[in-house]
Amino acid sequence: GQSLEQPSEVTAVEGAIVQINCTYQTSGFYGLSWYQQHDGGAPTFLSYNGLDGLEETGRFSSFLSRSDSYGYLLLQELQMKDSASYFCAVDTGRRALTFGSGTRLQVQP
Amino acid sequence: NAGVTQTPKFRVLKTGQSMTLLCAQDMNHEYMYWYRQDPGMGLRLIHYSVGEGTTAKGEVPDGYNVSRLKKQNFLLGLESAAPSQTSVYFCASRIAGKNEQFFGPGTRLTVL
Repeated sequence: GQSLEQPSEVTAVEGAIVQINCTYQTSGFYGLSWYQQHDGGAPTFLSYNGLDGLEETGRFSSFLSRSDSYGYLLLQELQMKDSASYFCAVDTGRRALTFGSGTRLQVQP
Repeated sequence: NAGVTQTPKFRVLKTGQSMTLLCAQDMNHEYMYWYRQDPGMGLRLIHYSVGEGTTAKGEVPDGYNVSRLKKQNFLLGLESAAPSQTSVYFCASRIAGKNEQFFGPGTRLTVL
């Protein structure tokens, strides 16, 4: 079966840095994606890692270690608008994604 | 471009009723997906399609059927709704060779 583990909640203050971890056990692995979802909204794509290493997109970075079945999303210079749920998702090669249960990030002033 | 649109936005059904959810995309994407999201949980894949006229089962296909008669449309049907199908349903699409999935705004379905 497939399983993805990520913390259920994280709290941080404005301007800080926060890291959201994701570990996975899947039959087949092609890459790890991250999505952001605000309350009542639709998920939006943040990043994709197909190879080991760090991918940077503005204030957001994502890391993957295939040998450790582990990845993380790093959010820098936190802003209030970053309060949302963040989902890691694994591409198992079936052309579809398997999502984790999500991490709810609360940014405090 | 409207992106991915879903119809309806909200619906209340009685147990045993049937309905069809419509997803439309104007980006000429090959792949389309139907997910459900229950409170405090991630998205679970119901069915997906890799092209016009083709569909495949996802993680939780029981109780649902789909059709992709046109490339731009992906329909999700509930033949006999059950309270366990109360959820928010998201449609998504992506272009072949790219990883980003584009999501519609969701349909909030309640089955009484």
